[in-house]
Amino acid sequence: EAGVVQSPRYKIIEKKQPVAFWCNPISGHNTLYWYLQNLGQGPELLIRYENEEAVDDSQLPKDRFSAERLKGVDSTLKIQPAELGDSAVYLCASSLGTSGGDEQFFGPGTRLTVL
Amino acid sequence: QKEVEQNSGPLSVPEGAIASLNCTYSDRGSQSFFWYRQYSGKSPELIMFIYSNGDKEDGRFTAQLNKASQYVSLLIRDSQPSDSATYLCAVRGGGADGLTFGKGTHLIIQP
Repeated sequence: EAGVVQSPRYKIIEKKQPVAFWCNPISGHNTLYWYLQNLGQGPELLIRYENEEAVDDSQLPKDRFSAERLKGVDSTLKIQPAELGDSAVYLCASSLGTSGGDEQFFGPGTRLTVL
Repeated sequence: QKEVEQNSGPLSVPEGAIASLNCTYSDRGSQSFFWYRQYSGKSPELIMFIYSNGDKEDGRFTAQLNKASQYVSLLIRDSQPSDSATYLCAVRGGGADGLTFGKGTHLIIQP
């Protein structure tokens, strides 16, 4: 079974440029998460989707960040414009979303460097 | 604001010994508790989850939960050099909520 797929794996951009990250969750997983991980820190939740609905986007900086999951499968996270402080690893995770103990599977992440 | 606290380490343990990793959390409403392992440059992978008070064992790993003290721990028996990694404690309120992670403890197993 294929895991969570993310692309690109690495991205280097100059500040003020836009950037987008793509995630394909594990087949059949209705719940999709985007996390941000800074160096030496644990992941921080940005947004959670149940199918195509964003059910928790309270931690998403909506002035520059946006996300979508149009058909309830793949998802895209966008930053426009990027700032130096956005340099981090962006992790996508998915789960069946059925119980309190179910596992979130993480993708390999996209490492963003903003110059 | 939910908080999860971990000692960042590094925690150095001799090969074959027991490694003990600890975590405290602030939200008494937390229902599920997770330990993830993260190797440098890789994404987190789940080691164990626990949601009832007491111990839960899986091979060389034992998770311990004390909700009254808001305390979670992970014991690794017969530590191996391959166990050297950062261990992240995470908690969840319920259902399919997102996880709140601690900063992680860097564990080093000395051969």
